[in-house]
Amino acid sequence: LAKTTQPISMDSYEGQEVNITCSHNNIATNDYITWYQQFPSQGPRFIIQGYKTKVTNEVASLFIPADRKSSTLSLPRVSLSDTAVYYCLLRDDKIIFGKGTRLHILP
Amino acid sequence: ETGVTQTPRHLVMGMTNKKSLKCEQHLGHNAMYWYKQSAKKPLELMFVYNFKEQTENNSVPSRFSPECPNSSHLFLHLHTLQPEDSALYLCASSTGTSGFDEQYFGPGTRLTVT
Repeated sequence: LAKTTQPISMDSYEGQEVNITCSHNNIATNDYITWYQQFPSQGPRFIIQGYKTKVTNEVASLFIPADRKSSTLSLPRVSLSDTAVYYCLLRDDKIIFGKGTRLHILP
Repeated sequence: ETGVTQTPRHLVMGMTNKKSLKCEQHLGHNAMYWYKQSAKKPLELMFVYNFKEQTENNSVPSRFSPECPNSSHLFLHLHTLQPEDSALYLCASSTGTSGFDEQYFGPGTRLTVT
């Protein structure tokens, strides 16, 4: 069973900021929080990873509160090409992908 | 291009056939993975290899037989498959298998078992 819980789907509009929250109440001390993006008929692609506080790269930001029981992926100014499935996963000794969040960007 | 290639991209096989999927990574990584992705189901990790040694087998049926001759190549040998084995098979690689090692995925092989 996946150790994370995410919304099944989300809709947003071009140019908006999108925040996808992932719950991981049983996160372990050694777990890193990792987000992947998957387009149809392609393999997942790493987006961002963090352990605590805030991480930012050229694609997204990841916000992790002090208790680490949740995390939020923030995509600034989304475009139609950001329509994909986004997976939040924890990694300790096993890699478990959940069902992900199907993000649909509307024009 | 992620640096991980998979062949073939599409495969149709009968239940009595024997076929193999091939994965090659050009990233200098030490760990390689096979995943299965069925329609409307989460990605399932099948096998993990680290420095050519199998380190994980997640209760995969014996009709799937992996082979890792070196750190750059990974095969999945298929025999006597069932229709429910039809899925997208993804290969990935990473520097190591620790919690902070980013995985790079190939484009996948779309397998249909008839």
